[in-house]
Amino acid sequence: GQQLNQSPQSMFIQEGEDVSMNCTSSSIFNTWLWYKQDPGEGPVLLIALYKAGELTSNGRLTAQFGITRKDSFLNISASIPSDVGIYFCAGLSYGGATNKLIFGTGTLLAVQP
Amino acid sequence: NAGVTQTPKFRILKIGQSMTLQCAQDMNHNYMYWYRQDPGMGLKLIYYSVGAGITDKGEVPNGYNVSRSTTEDFPLRLELAAPSQTSVYFCASSFAGNSYNEQFFGPGTRLTVL
Repeated sequence: GQQLNQSPQSMFIQEGEDVSMNCTSSSIFNTWLWYKQDPGEGPVLLIALYKAGELTSNGRLTAQFGITRKDSFLNISASIPSDVGIYFCAGLSYGGATNKLIFGTGTLLAVQP
Repeated sequence: NAGVTQTPKFRILKIGQSMTLQCAQDMNHNYMYWYRQDPGMGLKLIYYSVGAGITDKGEVPNGYNVSRSTTEDFPLRLELAAPSQTSVYFCASSFAGNSYNEQFFGPGTRLTVL
């Protein structure tokens, strides 16, 4: 099935550092989403991107919808310990009335105080 | 609102046993979904429903069944548990619509089949 390639797989950084991760696909998506999953919890939506080239921020998080519609990037500035978790990208293709997401494999972020 | 709730949180099954994973939402969402998450992987869609009485297969439906008799509930049934079904299962829900509507996820059910 469809798959999103997400990189890096994991990152171990010091508090205060900036973080970048990206997601690429062989298919075009209409919407790109970035989720965060805390240990033992379900994913929570961070940012949604709806058109190619869009750049959207949510606090210290900034995400971009690639011009080709086949990729997306997430940046976290000035990381803090509570940023620890797994970050997933997800792409959405509209197929009639359905609302199906394809998830990336995730980026594990560890932040050392 | 409780959001999306799932029970149980944890379960260990023997090969060949059956069980039902429960999912409920109190947000009056039309759409509901079941995903599985294997270690180091993203979520894969098992089944979804666009409304009461309507269900359809996702990417990995084999070995599972669902029903949607009410808007609120979307149980996932495993009839003959196999070790390959060891995973964390997430239920999600969203409003219907032409544009993206945020999917809200439950806390997950961790299932081990031995």
